[in-house]
Amino acid sequence: ELKVEQNPLFLSMQEGKNYTIYCNYSTTSDRLYWYRQDPGKSLESLFVLLSNGAVKQEGRLMASLDTKARLSTLHITAAVHDLSATYFCAVPGGQAGTALIFGKGTTLSVSS
Amino acid sequence: DTGVSQNPRHKITKRGQNVTFRCDPISEHNRLYWYRQTLGQGPEFLTYFQNEAQLEKSRLLSDRFSAERPKGSFSTLEIQRTEQGDSAMYLCASSFHDRRRAFFGQGTRLTVV
Repeated sequence: ELKVEQNPLFLSMQEGKNYTIYCNYSTTSDRLYWYRQDPGKSLESLFVLLSNGAVKQEGRLMASLDTKARLSTLHITAAVHDLSATYFCAVPGGQAGTALIFGKGTTLSVSS
Repeated sequence: DTGVSQNPRHKITKRGQNVTFRCDPISEHNRLYWYRQTLGQGPEFLTYFQNEAQLEKSRLLSDRFSAERPKGSFSTLEIQRTEQGDSAMYLCASSFHDRRRAFFGQGTRLTVV
């Protein structure tokens, strides 16, 4: 059964600092998705990583995928308060590989 | 707004009652998914439609749950004889292709009292 693990689960950051969120998954997959969720809101798609070595960047966020290590990272550069949210990674799974299996999420809190 | 639309946004029901939720996907998306999310957890997959065909159901989807997608457009998720453990956010998502990102609706928050 596919397992997706994120760490840390909670992250308190100061504005301006850098940090990395890690996402490990237990079975082979050639793609991975990152989503953001604000409290009480739905999920917003951030990145789709479709191959080994894929790197995507949007503003202060950069995501990468290493399919051999079954690892994705979400790097935050010079954090700002607006980045406070919960970040989920997800990997295709289920019987047909169409379901997204999500990690538990990393709740990021950025303070000044 | 051409995003995924879910109704109602909130539903409070008494234990034992039946509830039905509706999801209108993005119009050109032929793939539709239902997920359930409880507090502090990531979304858990419930079921998947490609057009009108329900192609996959999670073990989480007990016999009290049923989903339909008539004519491959909107979808409904019905929960019969609700239990307190059914309290959660029910999320609908749609996508154009399984390698493309799925777009999520705002969700229906169910509270069973």
